[in-house]
Amino acid sequence: GAGVSQSPSNKVTEKGKDVELRCDPISGHTALYWYRQSLGQGLEFLIYFQGNSAPDKSGLPSDRFSAERTGGSVSTLTIQRTQQEDSAVYLCASSLQRGSYNEQFFGPGTRLTVL
Amino acid sequence: DAKTTQPTSMDCAEGRAANLPCNHSTISGNEYVYWYRQIHSQGPQYIIHGLKNNETNEMASLIITEDRKSSTLILPHATLRDTAVYYCIVRVEGTDKLIFGTGTRLQVFP
Repeated sequence: GAGVSQSPSNKVTEKGKDVELRCDPISGHTALYWYRQSLGQGLEFLIYFQGNSAPDKSGLPSDRFSAERTGGSVSTLTIQRTQQEDSAVYLCASSLQRGSYNEQFFGPGTRLTVL
Repeated sequence: DAKTTQPTSMDCAEGRAANLPCNHSTISGNEYVYWYRQIHSQGPQYIIHGLKNNETNEMASLIITEDRKSSTLILPHATLRDTAVYYCIVRVEGTDKLIFGTGTRLQVFP
């Protein structure tokens, strides 16, 4: 079946503009995660949605970042008033939690460049 | 959150076993150890996970010490396509959140 998809694959924007990044998880997966990866760095957790529970927003770096997940499926990560330090690859993952087992399937990412 | 420590980089000859160590001395009793890898320009890929016992699947083996303070990922016959960054992660207890570190860059050479 289809994997996790993200759009756009690349986004170039000007400092101060708002951007929206989209994630389509694997159908039926109850959990959805957003990470970002700066050049040459490891993954930084941003936010996590699990079913109908309140999202874990503990990784969002500032109030310019927000995310929503509509209907338990598609998610949108919004960055307002973008800054140059927001430039990174934004990765989305989804998983089907089954007890202790939680394999996260990652999308290809969106490369965001803020000029 | 339990933190992991891994070597920054390692080399391995093609066809030989690659043994990637990870220290997680502050791990709690119910926290799992997960391994992912990230091949250049791709999203991370799940490899294996374990709690106490050693685990093996088609990709790798995971050896966890009895005190659970460290583990080793073993790729039994490394190939050039195994060149990647390997992340050892401790799953945060009570959540599905994974905290990635900087990982080990494994270079497999011919």
